[in-house]
Amino acid sequence: DAGVIQSPRHEVTEMGQEVTLRCKPISGHNSLFWYRQTMMRGLELLIYFNNNVPIDDSGMPEDRFSAKMPNASFSTLKIQPSEPRDSAVYFCASSLVISGNTIYFGEGSWLTVV
Amino acid sequence: AQSVAQPEDQVNVAEGNPLTVKCTYSVSGNPYLFWYVQYPNRGLQFLLKYITGDNLVKGSYGFEAEFNKSQTSFHLKKPSALVSDSALYFCAAHRPGGGADGLTFGKGTHLIIQP
Repeated sequence: DAGVIQSPRHEVTEMGQEVTLRCKPISGHNSLFWYRQTMMRGLELLIYFNNNVPIDDSGMPEDRFSAKMPNASFSTLKIQPSEPRDSAVYFCASSLVISGNTIYFGEGSWLTVV
Repeated sequence: AQSVAQPEDQVNVAEGNPLTVKCTYSVSGNPYLFWYVQYPNRGLQFLLKYITGDNLVKGSYGFEAEFNKSQTSFHLKKPSALVSDSALYFCAAHRPGGGADGLTFGKGTHLIIQP
């Protein structure tokens, strides 16, 4: 299996621009997670989906952030407008079920907002 | 509230020596416990997990972890460290039935193996 696939791997954008991060989960997995990693806050869960339905988005920092999962094999995390404090590594992860099963992470999207 | 503590920000070990990366948890019930490793500029990779059964769990790259219920600990160990083991290690705990918000990560421990 190819694992969780994220794109772009690296993105540098100017403040105020829209950023879209993409994720393809492992085939057959029914849960998908978006995490953010920074030096200050460590690893934060932003949102997760079960069977394409958003279950908990309480970790989304503010309305500038939105996530969608239109089908079982694709999800996006959008930031509009972007700000320098959004600079971080964004990870997508997936698992077969939520409780007890291993969550597998993608390689991350490294976002820099200047 | 549930939490996972990794009390050491950094652990330094000489190559060939045994290593231990500590983890304690505060999660209700009988949690599932995980270790992940993150190499520079990479995603988190699954190392091992404890669900039930034998308290000593063996995982990838020669790592193992020991579950201790009375001490609520799940320390990561390896008998002989390699320079290539240098990375950031995360402990995580999952409360059964807790959903994804039941998965709690520690802040990570930098493991540095000195040649």
